[in-house]
Amino acid sequence: IAGITQAPTSQILAAGRRMTLRCTQDMRHNAMYWYRQDLGLGLRLIHYSNTAGTTGKGEVPDGYSVSRANTDDFPLTLASAVPSQTSVYFCASSDGETGELFFGEGSRLTVL
Amino acid sequence: GQNIDQPTEMTATEGAIVQINCTYQTSGFNGLFWYQQHAGEAPTFLSYNVLDGLEEKGRFSSFLSRSKGYSYLLLKELQMKDSASYLCAVRDSNYQLIWGAGTKLIIKP
Repeated sequence: IAGITQAPTSQILAAGRRMTLRCTQDMRHNAMYWYRQDLGLGLRLIHYSNTAGTTGKGEVPDGYSVSRANTDDFPLTLASAVPSQTSVYFCASSDGETGELFFGEGSRLTVL
Repeated sequence: GQNIDQPTEMTATEGAIVQINCTYQTSGFNGLFWYQQHAGEAPTFLSYNVLDGLEEKGRFSSFLSRSKGYSYLLLKELQMKDSASYLCAVRDSNYQLIWGAGTKLIIKP
């Protein structure tokens, strides 16, 4: 059982380029989330989806977009990357019962 | 605003006991979570408290006082592998998680 798979695990990107971080889960969880984690700060929610076909904005949505065409996939797109988007990005899903989050292994993104 | 406070870093000795505190001010309360995160890895679930009191799970226990906006994570019989960051998170009235910045726990032999 894979759980949640993120790709790429690491990427260096030139400013202004478009980038999509992929996230796939095989647990059939309805809710999925994208967080960024920066040193000294807590996890910050970028976007979320409570169920396939719906998405919502989190705490820091600017510069990011998401889609949820089906239950399993929840890609995060940076339309035009900027250096402040250098971070570690975590995709997560929850089962809705306790709300426990299951995280992917993270994608380390560096924007130069 | 919403706020979660926990110490930035703590040091403890192998075999000892350590208590990591978390205080919160949030818009409503629908549960408090503790996660463990080893360096370079993803957070993993440790515990969930929604009612006041102590929840024990092996070497780890978590306590909650809703009236005081306070929780702690207690780790007993510390092992070197317990060196990690411990993240406190509160689910608010909108069922969104508010995260603390995490406590880095260093275990010394």
